[in-house]
Amino acid sequence: EAAVTQSPRNKVAVTGGKVTLSCNQTNNHNNMYWYRQDTGHGLRLIHYSYGAGSTEKGDIPDGYKASRPSQENFSLILELATPSQTSVYFCASGDPYEQYFGPGTRLTVL
Amino acid sequence: AQKVTQTQTSISVVEKTTVTMDCVYETRDSSYFLFWYKQTASGEIVFLIRQDSYKKENATVGHYSLNFQKPKSSIGLIITATQIEDSAVYFCAMRDFNTGANTGKLTFGHGTILRVHP
Repeated sequence: EAAVTQSPRNKVAVTGGKVTLSCNQTNNHNNMYWYRQDTGHGLRLIHYSYGAGSTEKGDIPDGYKASRPSQENFSLILELATPSQTSVYFCASGDPYEQYFGPGTRLTVL
Repeated sequence: AQKVTQTQTSISVVEKTTVTMDCVYETRDSSYFLFWYKQTASGEIVFLIRQDSYKKENATVGHYSLNFQKPKSSIGLIITATQIEDSAVYFCAMRDFNTGANTGKLTFGHGTILRVHP
């Protein structure tokens, strides 16, 4: 049974619209992460959290917000989506030695 | 700042042979951890193997092993007896003590595409 799930799996949004990507983990990990994956860039960290109620900026946080309302849930929020945010987004949960990734969300901003 | 570089964009090998994928890293910390992840064609990303910087022995898990050369800041992934299903994108990643001690933050390389053919 998948321990990290993401919803939606695919999303088409309009420029200027609000997008929320959701992530749920059943690993009981304190740490959770949001990455985006683009060709030629690998995985880049957007936001992360080390527990319920906390969020921290990663390496490319501009244009994104995050929310961690509980141990299990971590959301990524695009308040004003732009075409440059078209990408595949991965959520992960982890301990200091291993991260477990969700299946990814493909976001297209038109 | 940390940096992880994978210079090989893609590699093609015949199945049952051995392949080595290169990775070099930059860090100011004396203590750090190095990882390899695999992304399959379906997009799934899975952890493969880890090397702790203070350990001299190269890590080995199944048919995956590492070639850790600390003076060269290099951590190569070796896959022996490759199989068709090893075809994937392989990512090298690093966590150093200062930036990732409690948060587990990783810095990833851009990945190497491995194609294993009959």
